[in-house]
Formats: sequence, structure tokens, C-alpha cells
Amino acid sequence: QSALTQPRSVSGSPGQSVTISCIGTSSDVGGYNYVSWYQQHPGKAPKLMIYDVSKRPSGVPDRFSGSKSANTASLTISGLQAEDEADYYCCSYGGSNTLGVFGGGTKLTVL
Amino acid sequence: LQLQESGPGLVKPSETLSLTCTVSGGSIGSSNHYWGWIRQPPGKGLEWIGSMYFSGSTYYSPSLTSRVTISVDTSKKQFSLRLSSVTAADTAVYYCASPYSASPYYFEYWGQGILVTVSS
Repeated sequence: QSALTQPRSVSGSPGQSVTISCIGTSSDVGGYNYVSWYQQHPGKAPKLMIYDVSKRPSGVPDRFSGSKSANTASLTISGLQAEDEADYYCCSYGGSNTLGVFGGGTKLTVL
Repeated sequence: LQLQESGPGLVKPSETLSLTCTVSGGSIGSSNHYWGWIRQPPGKGLEWIGSMYFSGSTYYSPSLTSRVTISVDTSKKQFSLRLSSVTAADTAVYYCASPYSASPYYFEYWGQGILVTVSS
């Protein structure tokens, strides 16, 4: 099972919106609505931001939204804030009892 | 729900890595929840290792399945990871995590992580 493909880095200014893509295949991202997104600050454990493609856990700001089209999932962060600067990872069910396939991660820089 | 990893921080090559995750603030054995392990090599991305259903069913990464065992001890409110025949490539921060739900496809609760170094 290959890792999902994410851009290595994205950037945006405070108040702007950014979108991080996560490209998979019809065997993972495209085949199931089980994509999740995690935010990780340096030295910290990952934090769940989105699950089941577009659902937000309690406490996650609605500035964070998720979507999917065919084999590509996306995380959009609107109204960028300095504290959003972190690494972001997507994850998808990979089929055949492979419960998690992660993307390589994207470093978000808030300019 | 809180999770806390414990175990040796240094393991010799070819030996078996053993870690335990202690669960507090919730039930581990009497509800339909999943419990999992994820690792992160220094400076690299996340890798799912495997997950276990409260009933004992296990699911492992295809790349690690021959070396991984996940088990649960409900009396101690702990679940464990064993990774055999380790090499330097297994050096990583190991996280235990759980959705604390019947869905195994995401992880809402995470431990703080424990760095395990494989070196002689």
C-alpha cells in the first residue's frame, strides 16, 4: 500500500484561505468516505481535525473543512491564524483491513 | 480519555520492541472500541502500525504484519505492542491512539508518544 500524496509545503497570510490536497487511488481515498486529517505541532502528538471526509470533532473550529472528489481529498483552512502553522497529515482506509494509510505530510507556513 | 505509552527507550537490533499503553478515563474491554498504534520516524511522517477491536480482532499494516502483535489486558486497562526483529529503521516515536468509538478509521485520542531508538 503506497502512502497518499500530499504537497510538501503550502503557505498563506493571516486571514487568507489555504487548501491542502491528498491524492490517493480508487482503492483508498476514492473508494471510501473514511478520510481523516491531523494537525501536528512540533514535538506534539497529532490532533484530529477532520474525520469521515468532512466531519469535525467537537472543539475544532469551523474554519477547518474537508471534502473529497474522486481520488483526491482536500483540507481547507479559512481565516488563517498564526497558530494554524503546523504539519498536516491525511489518512484514509486502504481497503482489505488496512485501516490507515497516511499521506507524507504538508508543512503549513503562515506568512 | 487519556492514553499513556510506556516501555524501554532503547532496544538492540534483532530484539523485540515492547510497549504498553495505559488507558484512563474510559473503558477498554467492555465497549465496542478500537485501539491502535502509529509511529513516526524522526523528521518523517506518520505510519499506521495496527489496530485492535475490543473483542480481540486485530488488523496490521501489510508491511509490518509478519513482525507485529497487538494485545489487550483489560484487567490492567492496557493494550500492548510487540515488534520483533527490529532494525534501525524501526527507530521512531510510537503513539498509542484510539477513536474511542466503533469506527476504526480515525484516531481522536492520542498518547504523548514515546521515542524508541534501535541501537546496539
